[in-house]
Amino acid sequence: GAGVSQSPSNKVTEKGKDVELRCDPISGHTALYWYRQSLGQGLEFLIYFQGNSAPDKSGLPSDRFSAERTGGSVSTLTIQRTQQEDSAVYLCASSPLRGSYNEQFFGPGTRLTVL
Amino acid sequence: DQQVKQNSPSLSVQEGRISILNCDYTNSMFDYFLWYKKYPAEGPTFLISISSIKDKNEDGRFTVFLNKSAKHLSLHIVPSQPGDSAVYFCAALNRNSGAGSYQLTFGKGTKLSVIP
Repeated sequence: GAGVSQSPSNKVTEKGKDVELRCDPISGHTALYWYRQSLGQGLEFLIYFQGNSAPDKSGLPSDRFSAERTGGSVSTLTIQRTQQEDSAVYLCASSPLRGSYNEQFFGPGTRLTVL
Repeated sequence: DQQVKQNSPSLSVQEGRISILNCDYTNSMFDYFLWYKKYPAEGPTFLISISSIKDKNEDGRFTVFLNKSAKHLSLHIVPSQPGDSAVYFCAALNRNSGAGSYQLTFGKGTKLSVIP
């Protein structure tokens, strides 16, 4: 079956521009997560969506970052006025349901480069 | 302040030998630990996990050991194969932290190279 997909796979942008990153979770997965991995670092949690509940945005590094999830499926991570320190691989993951811990399935990531 | 540490950025092992990847954590509230494997240009894939009530979990060639008193876990791969060459991430979870119970905290990863 189809896994988590992300687009674009690579994005190069100029400092100050806005970017949108897209995530298509596995069908039927109610939980969706965004992480980012900066060079030489581990994965850093950004935001979590679960069903119709309000998202947990506690990991977003600044108010330039926002995310939405439409219809409980596709999610878009938006970074406004990009800065060079935003350069990283942005990873999306989904999992079946909350309650007991469920394995998170990751997409291939979007490599963002801010010049 | 890193709560999950993988102090070896890289490791090289001969094919057929044992690979041992180490991970240390500082948060005593973590009660579930996972290892993820990542190939270039792909997302991490789940490999094996262990609950804090256990000290060992085995799945085929992969075994994870947990030493709670030392806040240390390790992943053993035996025998190592060239296809095991990847970056391995250790991750931890506090399943009792309410809203944060799903937030995986990752180490920086160890790049394993298995030499044929």
